[in-house]
Amino acid sequence: KQEVTQIPAALSVPEGENLVLNCSFTDSAIYNLQWFRQDPGKGLTSLLLIQSSQREQTSGRLNASLDKSSGRSTLYIAASQPGDSATYLCAVRGFEASGSARQLTFGSGTQLTVLP
Amino acid sequence: NAGVTQTPKFQVLKTGQSMTLQCAQDMNHNSMYWYRQDPGMGLRLIYYSASEGTTDKGEVPNGYNVSRLNKREFSLRLESAAPSQTSVYFCASRQNTDTQYFGPGTRLTVL
Repeated sequence: KQEVTQIPAALSVPEGENLVLNCSFTDSAIYNLQWFRQDPGKGLTSLLLIQSSQREQTSGRLNASLDKSSGRSTLYIAASQPGDSATYLCAVRGFEASGSARQLTFGSGTQLTVLP
Repeated sequence: NAGVTQTPKFQVLKTGQSMTLQCAQDMNHNSMYWYRQDPGMGLRLIYYSASEGTTDKGEVPNGYNVSRLNKREFSLRLESAAPSQTSVYFCASRQNTDTQYFGPGTRLTVL
């Protein structure tokens, strides 16, 4: 059974700092990995999707990397801003025994606070 | 284009009461999902529907039923609510192995 872990559970940084959020997963046979952002009391917003054949994806100040062999992904946020404060969740889509895509398995998230 | 919508936003039930959570998407996606989110546990899949007319159990289906009414709508029913079902419920949809889109959630309290 796939397990997804995000450490730390909470992180606080001063504005302007570059930071890295970590995600690890136990089964390296994955379709893709997705990073989401969740604001308090809101739903999840997709940030980046990395297919299993890709090593990284970039969107603005965000860069996500994927290392399947080690079962790790990182989300890099450059020049952090108070508006980046939110919970960031990692989710992995694996394979069923039939070869079809399995459903997403989520980590419990990292709560990020960027201090002005 | 509203994306994924959910009703209601908030609900308080007494133990034993029933209710249905509604979800609709306007992106013509085949797959739809229901998750629950509890503090410190991430999101857990309750039920999903890979296409219109099909539904399957997820990780935590006990105490719930679902209906894929048509391609747009996927409802979640609690027949006899229990305090353990107090949670935030999210509906989601996607096409193939692409990005999954989420609704704003329903915050349910069972007393």
